[in-house]
Amino acid sequence: GNSVTQMEGPVTLSEEAFLTINCTYTATGYPSLFWYVQYPGEGLQLLLKATKADDKGSNKGFEATYRKETTSFHLEKGSVQVSDSAVYFCALSKGTGGFKTIFGAGTRLFVKA
Amino acid sequence: GAVVSQHPSRVICKSGTSVKIECRSLDFQATTMFWYRQFPKQSLMLMATSNEGSKATYEQGVEKDKFLINHASLTLSTLTVTSAHPEDSSFYICSAYREPEQFFGPGTRLTVL
Repeated sequence: GNSVTQMEGPVTLSEEAFLTINCTYTATGYPSLFWYVQYPGEGLQLLLKATKADDKGSNKGFEATYRKETTSFHLEKGSVQVSDSAVYFCALSKGTGGFKTIFGAGTRLFVKA
Repeated sequence: GAVVSQHPSRVICKSGTSVKIECRSLDFQATTMFWYRQFPKQSLMLMATSNEGSKATYEQGVEKDKFLINHASLTLSTLTVTSAHPEDSSFYICSAYREPEQFFGPGTRLTVL
């Protein structure tokens, strides 16, 4: 079946450090891939997405590239801020827009000033 | 645009009572809404798909008689947790699907005493 595996947290970084959160997936066909962010006490917000191989999603300084050959969609940011502290979820869906989305376990990020 | 609200944001109830949670798409119509459950420090688990004007589709292992879902209009879906028990305490999140994306509500924290 379809599944998403992401690195366990928590991840603790100092401000302005480089961030990588690994995500790999298992799916038949060509899923769409997403990163969602959840701030404390809030619901999920779509951070970025990619719908086909080699697409790069980007938003707010975050990037992720859809790598079909390695079935990966790693999240990166060159310089994190304290305000980036949140839980990040990698996800996939068979449709283009998130219908019946399957989520990874989430990775909690703490950024220290 | 594409705002989804949930009410209430927090609810505390006694064991054996029923609790209703509302999910509204404020500025768009959604024929499909989803209900998720999130345990502390864990990912979202899809409970059911709510389709306007028809019966909800429940995921395996979710008791349909315990978690009643009604999608009576294109902007409102409700989840009723019947005869709630402490093990039902969780964070419940809804989302509304507007192609090609899924928009999440802020969540409802249910505590059953």
